[in-house]
Amino acid sequence: AQRVTQPEKLLSVFKGAPVELKCNYSYSGSPELFWYVQYSRQRLQLLLRHISRESIKGFTADLNKGETSFHLKKPFAQEEDSAMYYCASTPGGANNLFFGTGTRLTVIP
Amino acid sequence: EAGVAQSPRYKIIEKRQSVAFWCNPISGHATLYWYQQILGQGPKLLIQFQNNGVVDDSQLPKDRFSAERLKGVDSTLKIQPAKLEDSAVYLCASSLLNSGNTIYFGEGSWLTVV
Repeated sequence: AQRVTQPEKLLSVFKGAPVELKCNYSYSGSPELFWYVQYSRQRLQLLLRHISRESIKGFTADLNKGETSFHLKKPFAQEEDSAMYYCASTPGGANNLFFGTGTRLTVIP
Repeated sequence: EAGVAQSPRYKIIEKRQSVAFWCNPISGHATLYWYQQILGQGPKLLIQFQNNGVVDDSQLPKDRFSAERLKGVDSTLKIQPAKLEDSAVYLCASSLLNSGNTIYFGEGSWLTVV
């Protein structure tokens, strides 16, 4: 069964501090991994995906197949990063998303 | 570019009543999804359409939920009869046809069953 686990429901960091949101997955095959973000009163939107290997809004995420992890990182948190973050995956070759339970990040001024 | 449109945004109904949600995907997006998001959980796929055909409805409670996309554009999700545990946000999303394309979400329809 496909599963995405986000162990932290809540995470608070001070502005300027590094932030890491954890995500682990369990799959067979070659899944694609994503991070989606939902800012207050906005719709769920794609933040980044592992195949593009790009940095969006200072966030990066590296797929670690050995640890089956896809943690989201940012070296210096900003207040505008406060949001709900969801890790998600699609089975290889498909285009539907399986979501984790989400982590609410609060950046303290 | 217009995003995924959903209506109504909010609905409160009594248990055993029926409700319908409407979704208009982004123009040109062949794939349409309905997700259910219960408070404190991540979205869960209910049904996926490709044009007007169903790709995956394995997690749709078919005894009470139904969805259609008759002309391959707009879609309607219906719940009849509703149960208390159906209280959730119902998210519609769409994407281009090929796998690996970004999935775009609507703002969601918030359902409260009392």
